[in-house]
Amino acid sequence: DGGITQSPKYLFRKEGQNVTLSCEQNLNHDAMYWYRQDPGQGLRLIYYSQIVNDFQKGDIAEGYSVSREKKESFPLTVTSAQKNPTAFYLCASSIGPFYEQYFGPGTRLTVT
Amino acid sequence: DAKTTQPPSMDCAEGRAANLPCNHSTISGNEYVYWYRQIHSQGPQYIIHGLKNNETNEMASLIITEDRKSSTLILPHATLRDTAVYYCIVRVSNTGNQFYFGTGTSLTVIP
Repeated sequence: DGGITQSPKYLFRKEGQNVTLSCEQNLNHDAMYWYRQDPGQGLRLIYYSQIVNDFQKGDIAEGYSVSREKKESFPLTVTSAQKNPTAFYLCASSIGPFYEQYFGPGTRLTVT
Repeated sequence: DAKTTQPPSMDCAEGRAANLPCNHSTISGNEYVYWYRQIHSQGPQYIIHGLKNNETNEMASLIITEDRKSSTLILPHATLRDTAVYYCIVRVSNTGNQFYFGTGTSLTVIP
């Protein structure tokens, strides 16, 4: 069964802690993306990767970091430098940068 | 990427066609129209996209006006599971990277 998985679905952390969100895909897609969604708003791009071992900042990369060591995996770390980390985080992938993106189920992060 | 305008909310009776409009009057010749939907607390789901011609797949039909300044997504027989926020996005195919999701249209299918 091909698709994108994100884990966990809900995540709770204390302020000042770094946290890593998992994103895995078995679609053999080259490109992967991380978005953030706040209540009642659209999606904003955090980071994207068009190929293994390469990634680029999106519109709101400050306070986040990523890695792309394997084609299937694109983990996102929310660092303590991110001022408002509580949000719904969505991972997506596409065959390449010019194609439609397919999204995972999302991780809802709450930081208190 | 061109800006899109969608009504904030719509209702549709179950079993009837849902017609969701989108205005994109500043669309360029090389920009595609994409539609996604997002059911509450889930990731967006790709529905359909097109450039000039009308498109149809197993989920929906996309009707693009001849001047390409507006489009309509048609769900032919709406079910309760079609209740979601629908996003119309225009994007230049060769810029890659992100899709700009606005606030979309919240469609409620009524029994």
